Amino acid sequence: EVQVVESGGGLVKPGGSLRLSCVASGFTFTNVWMSWVRQAPGKGLEWVGRVKSTGHGGTTDYAAPVKGRFTIFRDESKNTMDLQMNSLKTEDTAVYYCTASEVGATPNYWGQGTLVTVSS
Amino acid sequence: QSALTQPRSVSGSPGQSVTISCTGTSSDIGGYNFVSWYQQHPGKAPKFMIFDVSKRPSGVPDRFSGSKSGNTASLTISGLQSEDEADYYCCSYAGSSVVFGGGTKLTVL
Repeated sequence: EVQVVESGGGLVKPGGSLRLSCVASGFTFTNVWMSWVRQAPGKGLEWVGRVKSTGHGGTTDYAAPVKGRFTIFRDESKNTMDLQMNSLKTEDTAVYYCTASEVGATPNYWGQGTLVTVSS
Repeated sequence: QSALTQPRSVSGSPGQSVTISCTGTSSDIGGYNFVSWYQQHPGKAPKFMIFDVSKRPSGVPDRFSGSKSGNTASLTISGLQSEDEADYYCCSYAGSSVVFGGGTKLTVL
């Protein structure tokens, strides 16, 4: 059974930092592209960034609003992906979903999400 | 990268068919056959219903089908059921990024 589980969300002040973690199981982690997608309260889905599989170079890409502030890390030995978020802004408030792409180049499997609230 | 364009809402009666459109550009939908669709019920995580334009993951009913023409992708749901009432999002690979549509609320009358 495929499982994707996020953790690490919480309340943080503007300008602060937070690190989210995601652990995945039920598929061959080394073969999949992993991504973060967020959803602000009452809004639609927004792609945050991804890390490609090792076979595709393990490189990262980021959406323009978070580039330079967010960093994605991948640990093949633990089947995990982390999202380090720095210089947080109020507009970063959202539920953050960890996703895995086993087929195609867009998210397949989704976690249940973890809420990040940026507020003073 | 701008968001893909979807109608804000569509509706249909049980048993009918509805189609949700998703318009992008030659840099996303028109340039790749990596379009997916997601269903999201209130308070729940999205569930992927279609990938690679028209393929269904195992467990997704064949009432759900996808297609693409030029820069526009479409999701058709036939034989509408009450449990199909949800928000639907399209998504496309765009080379160095991924782009989502703004979402469509499907109401089953």
